[in-house]
Amino acid sequence: QVQLVQSGAEVKKPGASMKVSCKASGYSFTGYHVHWVRQAPGQGLEWMGWINTDSGVTNYAEKFEGRVKMTTDTSITTTYMELSSLRSDDTAVYYCTSSSGEFDYWGQGTLVTVSS
Amino acid sequence: SYELTQPPSVSVSPGQTARITCSGDALPKKHAYWYQQKSGQAPVLVIYEDRKRPSGIPERFSGSSSGTMATLTISGAQVEDEADYYCYSTDSSPNHKGAFGGGTKLTVL
Repeated sequence: QVQLVQSGAEVKKPGASMKVSCKASGYSFTGYHVHWVRQAPGQGLEWMGWINTDSGVTNYAEKFEGRVKMTTDTSITTTYMELSSLRSDDTAVYYCTSSSGEFDYWGQGTLVTVSS
Repeated sequence: SYELTQPPSVSVSPGQTARITCSGDALPKKHAYWYQQKSGQAPVLVIYEDRKRPSGIPERFSGSSSGTMATLTISGAQVEDEADYYCYSTDSSPNHKGAFGGGTKLTVL
């Protein structure tokens, strides 16, 4: 079955960087973009961007340009999202999702807490 | 950045019809997607490409789009439909930036 399994929760200091992984299985990995979406505590969903898992081309939300980097390793069907210069308001659950039309699968989410 | 606007809350009694709207300037040209999110869970797609329903989603969920507004309709809402609902779409720029609406809390009681 289709699965997206994310790395575990992290606690980071302000100014540090985070890197969350998302391992896909059960489908043609390079056939679908992987999007990253975050949700701050008690807040709504926020689209961060996507990566074309075949070409590596990325498309980031303007808000995160210069601070986010999405990469992919097709040999292990894993996508990574790295966010730098962390602030307290980056505290959120980060989700990866692979979707196209009806094909729509989400990881379990990774809680990243930014605190001094 | 592109904005999609939803009402913060909608409330209906069980069996009534709930309608949740999503407005955005690019919706005449771009598809809308609707997600249901229950507390502590990942979102679930309930409508894609404006009006299509994924397999496994009850028939009471339907979608429509006209002009700059997309609408999610739940006909005969059930208590278990109580959740947050988000619309998603992309802007009309060549870069196709995505955006979620602010979310609508649906209360069924």
